[in-house]
Amino acid sequence: EPEVTQTPSHQVTQMGQEVILRCVPISNHLYFYWYRQILGQKVEFLVSFYNNEISEKSEIFDDQFSVERPDGSNFTLKIRSTKLEDSAMYFCASSEFSRAGRDTQYFGPGTRLTVL
Amino acid sequence: KQEVTQIPAALSVPEGENLVLNCSFTDSAIYNLQWFRQDPGKGLTSLLLIQSSQREQTSGRLNASLDKSSGRSTLYIAASQPGDSATYLCAVKGGFQKLVFGTGTRLLVSP
Repeated sequence: EPEVTQTPSHQVTQMGQEVILRCVPISNHLYFYWYRQILGQKVEFLVSFYNNEISEKSEIFDDQFSVERPDGSNFTLKIRSTKLEDSAMYFCASSEFSRAGRDTQYFGPGTRLTVL
Repeated sequence: KQEVTQIPAALSVPEGENLVLNCSFTDSAIYNLQWFRQDPGKGLTSLLLIQSSQREQTSGRLNASLDKSSGRSTLYIAASQPGDSATYLCAVKGGFQKLVFGTGTRLLVSP
């Protein structure tokens, strides 16, 4: 069964460094998402992406964050200058459609980001 | 602003019991509701999706219901097994694309 994959599974970085988290969505999906989950807290939406542009973003997704689909298969989340509070599990998700019908969001296994 | 609450926060049952997990949401203008399973330190596995026009969905031993007008959903697990032990999350999709998640119910099924 097709699945969303993410790399790396765990990333440790120093505060102020840039990190890029990578995702390979399910191949025929058109909508891509990033969520994060700080330890012990709810899963929170960051951004959705369709047709090579951001379609929705949360207030968390400020200028420090960016997303890109550099080729036909990868979807990346970049954090320009990491802060301690960016430490979280970051999940990538994808869906075939956005509205009624086949819009189940399928999640990857996550990247645990630790900022020291 | 949509708020999603799940009760109970934790549940411990012996193997074989039928159980119900509850999810409530404050804004009934939703497109769908999705139930997920999360194992410790792992990703989210989609279990069921109910469109706003539907009342329930079934998959194997799982049955999810939706009462949009009252802002409630339940996930019924029949004949629970130790392998069902995990955190169960519900999430609603409102105005556009994002999912708004609940806090989860941590389920432990003991042999």
